[in-house]
Amino acid sequence: ETGVTQTPRHLVMGMTNKKSLKCEQHLGHNAMYWYKQSAKKPLELMFVYSLEERVENNSVPSRFSPECPNSSHLFLHLHTLQPEDSALYLCASSENSGAEKLFFGSGTQLSVL
Amino acid sequence: SQQGEEDPQALSIQEGENATMNCSYKTSINNLQWYRQNSGRGLVHLILIRSNEREKHSGRLRVTLDTSKKSSSLLITASRAADTASYFCATDIRGSNYKLTFGKGTLLTVNP
Repeated sequence: ETGVTQTPRHLVMGMTNKKSLKCEQHLGHNAMYWYKQSAKKPLELMFVYSLEERVENNSVPSRFSPECPNSSHLFLHLHTLQPEDSALYLCASSENSGAEKLFFGSGTQLSVL
Repeated sequence: SQQGEEDPQALSIQEGENATMNCSYKTSINNLQWYRQNSGRGLVHLILIRSNEREKHSGRLRVTLDTSKKSSSLLITASRAADTASYFCATDIRGSNYKLTFGKGTLLTVNP
């Protein structure tokens, strides 16, 4: 148990659906991250929040919409996704925004049909 | 092209043997980190080595860093079946906050 909880663990959605991924950290960290992990590709940084402010948007399509209502919670809202968006979506947190020692959740395995 | 690349892509050894994985990167860094990932799970931080350090130990783990060659190695001594996992190196790029760039990983299989 890393102190970072992601729900749901698995998600299957159609291309016209709207769904949200949730991440919660119980570590008192100030920075939170969304990463995408696809088969045979390196982890891709999607978004970074520091003290609830988005500080990095790594050229992510607008069909992915992050939300950070407070320093403990991070959401990723999904709409009109494509099959190539199927991947493991990982949330992580760190004590500050310097990206030293990330704590990861177990991820949400997303399948887009 | 990616910042960090691990080598080999896959490694299979017997329990009790040592496992060595390498990582090469392209640009100047502040630190280099190693993570482990069990299948379908999140990554777990193993060790961080700063650019002014050459070697670091943590239990059965030994990490070296050669900034002149832009490379790092992770040695796991006396491996156990439970060490079976994918291992990733991650680098931050000097002058770029927040961004931690991962390689594709080395899949280590430790046979009992």
